[in-house]
Amino acid sequence: GENVEQHPSTLSVQEGDSAVIKCTYSDSASNYFPWYKQELGKGPQLIIDIRSNVGEKKDQRIAVTLNKTAKHFSLHITETQPEDSAVYFCAARLSNFGNEKLTFGTGTRLTIIP
Amino acid sequence: EADIYQTPRYLVIGTGKKITLECSQTMGHDKMYWYQQDPGMELHLIHYSYGVNSTEKGDLSSESTVSRIRTEHFPLTLESARPSHTSQYLCASSATGGPNEQFFGPGTRLTVL
Repeated sequence: GENVEQHPSTLSVQEGDSAVIKCTYSDSASNYFPWYKQELGKGPQLIIDIRSNVGEKKDQRIAVTLNKTAKHFSLHITETQPEDSAVYFCAARLSNFGNEKLTFGTGTRLTIIP
Repeated sequence: EADIYQTPRYLVIGTGKKITLECSQTMGHDKMYWYQQDPGMELHLIHYSYGVNSTEKGDLSSESTVSRIRTEHFPLTLESARPSHTSQYLCASSATGGPNEQFFGPGTRLTVL
């Protein structure tokens, strides 16, 4: 099955600086890579996703890059704000027909320092 | 906000009790999932369903059971709770085809004394 590793497990960033979280996956057949943000007391919420036919995707201050050859993908948050403080999870999904299961990384606790 | 609900949000019970965690969604999604979340944050899939009368065990072995009699409802049951079952339980759903986003409920934090 798929295995997803995520680093770092904790990250502290000065407000206004950028934050980068990296994930690697094991199965080259994976084709969908979402990122989730989990705030305290809430369930994870999708913030951005990317498919294997795309190398980069941006949405305002958030971007995701994918390197299929190296089997890694990264989340980039620019101009960080206090409300970006949360736990972030990457995930990967195999491309088997009808398979919707996601394999999650172990999470990164991001703290924005005012 | 996703239209997926979990009750109760918090539950403290004694060892040996039978409990049912409720999950319902109003989005008409065929696929539903239960995850167990460690205190250390990691999410583990314990059950999933791709439609009515379809249930499968996930990647992490669990003593809980699930049922899917109605599309919108996916309850999780523990016949005899133990302290080792103490955890956060998250329910999610997704649509067949189209965007693959899984929508998560707010979770149930279970403590077994």
